[in-house]
Amino acid sequence: QSVLTQPPSVSAAPGQKVTISCSGSSSNIGNNYVSWYQQLPGTAPKLLIFDNDKRPSGIPDRFSASKSGTSATLGITGLQTGDEADYYCATWDGSLSNVLFGGGTKLTVL
Amino acid sequence: EVQLVESGGGQVKPGGSLRLSCAASGFDFTSYSMNWVRQAPGKGLEWVSSITTGSTYIQYGDAVKGRFTTSRDNAKNAVYLQMNSLRAEDAAVYYCARDRSYNFLRGSPMAWFDSWGQGTLVTVSS
Repeated sequence: QSVLTQPPSVSAAPGQKVTISCSGSSSNIGNNYVSWYQQLPGTAPKLLIFDNDKRPSGIPDRFSASKSGTSATLGITGLQTGDEADYYCATWDGSLSNVLFGGGTKLTVL
Repeated sequence: EVQLVESGGGQVKPGGSLRLSCAASGFDFTSYSMNWVRQAPGKGLEWVSSITTGSTYIQYGDAVKGRFTTSRDNAKNAVYLQMNSLRAEDAAVYYCARDRSYNFLRGSPMAWFDSWGQGTLVTVSS
């Protein structure tokens, strides 16, 4: 059971939009920065979002994120079959003194 | 081009030890904190350890604290993970990851892992 809670799976049709939530508490998301990762099957994770809502160079603006209170949300628009992957949120937890990852969300593009 | 290449994985018996290495290239290694993140087969990501540029701050996940030791050699552009007293639950792919920033004010990783290696597989089995 992860401290950061993500839905196990989400799905949407190509071209549509999907959001993935990440719920935590004041000791983690509420007082720290959130990052998001995409892990395509059989590959290493890739940073999609850092500092709550910033995209590294090379990440298309179809990917966006926000944070409000103790929750964060990743949004993906214009879904493509190539977006099928596992998505993870992450942040520091000041009470646990650990970096936490969410349990991961499997995105299916139908 | 930023490259992180892990090595040292393999099969080990419960209670045994293993040392992982991560060779970095393509960036100023001395300017970045480095991390180890693992992923058990079919499971999610789990942070293992973080080490700052000058090894001032070295932090560990609760699951490995007291058994694993992280170190780095800035002259060799390498980071290491010494794993002792290995358990079945330590079996995973171990990734080396660069942290884009570190919060020295709080003494904590930012967890903005912007580059990852391909991973090295550790199997713990008798």
